[in-house]
Amino acid sequence: GQNIDQPTEMTATEGAIVQINCTYQTSGFNGLFWYQQHAGEAPTFLSYNVLDGLEEKGRFSSFLSRSKGYSYLLLKELQMKDSASYLCASPYAGNNRKLIWGLGTSLAVNP
Amino acid sequence: DTGVSQDPRHKITKRGQNVTFRCDPISEHNRLYWYRQTLGQGPEFLTYFQNEAQLEKSRLLSDRFSAERPKGSFSTLEIQRTEQGDSAMYLCASSLKRGGPNTGELFFGEGSRLTVL
Repeated sequence: GQNIDQPTEMTATEGAIVQINCTYQTSGFNGLFWYQQHAGEAPTFLSYNVLDGLEEKGRFSSFLSRSKGYSYLLLKELQMKDSASYLCASPYAGNNRKLIWGLGTSLAVNP
Repeated sequence: DTGVSQDPRHKITKRGQNVTFRCDPISEHNRLYWYRQTLGQGPEFLTYFQNEAQLEKSRLLSDRFSAERPKGSFSTLEIQRTEQGDSAMYLCASSLKRGGPNTGELFFGEGSRLTVL
């Protein structure tokens, strides 16, 4: 089967760094996406990893280890507006047409 | 606004009624997707179009659900004989094929929230 797991909730302080983990079990792995979703809004794309390693994009970085079936999203210099749900997703059986999503990690950034 | 647009944004209906949602994707995107999302869950795949062809459909979808994309541009999602369990946010997304600089990321619309009483 195919499965994506991530923590349900996390809390962090403004200005700090937080790491949101995602573990996946997929057949025919074809990349891993991270999306951000604010309450009541649609998901927006953050990052895509298909090769091992860290990809940095401003305050957000995403890491992938294919051998471990593991990814994380790293958020630096946290701001209040980063309070949102962070969703991990991967193509089902390597099929880019259909993504399988985690339940999302709800991040609360406190002052 | 050149993003994905959905209509209506909110729909309240009585059980047993039919509802239809419309999605206008980003104009240069030939790939269009419908997802459903309930509170505290990730999006759940419903169906996928490449141009006007419906190439993937979730087995979770009952016969009450149908989607079309007649001219390869806008799409409609119809739910017949709605049930309370159909209450959810219905998200439309579009994308380009992954390759080169394109990651195949999904661009989502704001969603159509359905409440079935």
